[in-house]
Amino acid sequence: KNEVEQSPQNLTAQEGEFITINCSYSVGISALHWLQQHPGGGIVSLFMLSSGKKKHGRLIATINIQEKHSSLHITASHPRDSAVYICAVSERRRNTDKLIFGTGTRLQVFP
Amino acid sequence: DARVTQTPRHKVTEMGQEVTMRCQPILGHNTVFWYRQTMMQGLELLAYFRNRAPLDDSGMPKDRFSAEMPDATLATLKIQPSEPRDSAVYFCASGQGTGTHQPQHFGDGTRLSIL
Repeated sequence: KNEVEQSPQNLTAQEGEFITINCSYSVGISALHWLQQHPGGGIVSLFMLSSGKKKHGRLIATINIQEKHSSLHITASHPRDSAVYICAVSERRRNTDKLIFGTGTRLQVFP
Repeated sequence: DARVTQTPRHKVTEMGQEVTMRCQPILGHNTVFWYRQTMMQGLELLAYFRNRAPLDDSGMPKDRFSAEMPDATLATLKIQPSEPRDSAVYFCASGQGTGTHQPQHFGDGTRLSIL
């Protein structure tokens, strides 16, 4: 079983729909990251959070530490949101942190 | 906007050759990460440095890979000898702070193909 699981693996939506991507993890963490990777490969860090909720424009990220779960929401989705969304956790270890990645959720938003 | 710069963007070479990838972190960032991305494994952390000192290179095959930071403006990742299974996209990222619980800024990656 992977230490970081994302669902769904693939997601299609019509423009304007509300989208939710989920991430569950099984290790103790110091932080959780959401990344966005567009076709062509560039990676952008969207959020880093360790508790509660963060919002940036139409994107909202939440985390529940007790349940070891995070969600990424996109409101009023747009075709330019089409990308792979990757969840990663900073696993807390004794001397250092290790970043562990989920396999990504491929989102396609159609006009 | 400040950016992480990686060179080369693309590299094609024959197996057995030495490959060197370079990364210029954002000025003032004290932490540098090297990642590898493949279709099969997704993104993996290979190594990371803080204040030029290696903190964790447990994800890196030690027999052929080496990572260094000769100075604060340059990080290198070398593969010698290269093998076809090393074909992947290698990303560098930098951040300010400690550990991996910090926002990271990614370069555009080096797409490596080993024939």
